[in-house]
Amino acid sequence: DGGITQSPKYLFRKEGQNVTLSCEQNLNHDAMYWYRQDPGQGLRLIYYSQIVNDFQKGDIAEGYSVSREKKESFPLTVTSAQKNPTAFYLCASSRDGTSGRFRADTQYFGPGTRLTVL
Amino acid sequence: ELKVEQNPLFLSMQEGKNYTIYCNYSTTSDRLYWYRQDPGKSLESLFVLLSNGAVKQEGRLMASLDTKARLSTLHITAAVHDLSATYFCAVDYRSGSEKLVFGKGTKLTVNP
Repeated sequence: DGGITQSPKYLFRKEGQNVTLSCEQNLNHDAMYWYRQDPGQGLRLIYYSQIVNDFQKGDIAEGYSVSREKKESFPLTVTSAQKNPTAFYLCASSRDGTSGRFRADTQYFGPGTRLTVL
Repeated sequence: ELKVEQNPLFLSMQEGKNYTIYCNYSTTSDRLYWYRQDPGKSLESLFVLLSNGAVKQEGRLMASLDTKARLSTLHITAAVHDLSATYFCAVDYRSGSEKLVFGKGTKLTVNP
């Protein structure tokens, strides 16, 4: 069964460390996204990629970096420059056409990674 | 800049009652999404509304879109406890761009 996976589920970071969050999808979706969610808040877009080897900054890209070397993978690195990284990070993907139970143009989300700075 | 506002942000209701959640947005868009999030979990897609006047229904939830008023509603009919969750609307930043702006969410609690 196709889906989006994120790992790890929980991640602890020390001050000054870079950490990388994994996001993989086997849905053959072209577009992938990273969001950050703070308690009691909606989601804010960090980065997105509509095609392999290309990505764009979202609304809060500072202190984060991404790569898109493969269609199925879109890892997010939280760098030491991100001053307040404690949050719930969600990855999503979408495609142009409907396929099975996945509607066109709808973003489907992975289970999330909860990052805590110690 | 596109702004998306939901109200109410918190909603406590009794089982069996009806209520409506509102989602207003500030600039032209003809694509709006509703998602559900359970505590500590990811987002689950509920509805996608793609045109003015679109109405979608599933179970006790019905969503509608009025692009002229820049308003979407999520109507809950005869609420049950299982509907307790946070509901988000999200609007396409520019139609077809796949870049979404989310509201802050409405936390719904359905009491027995």
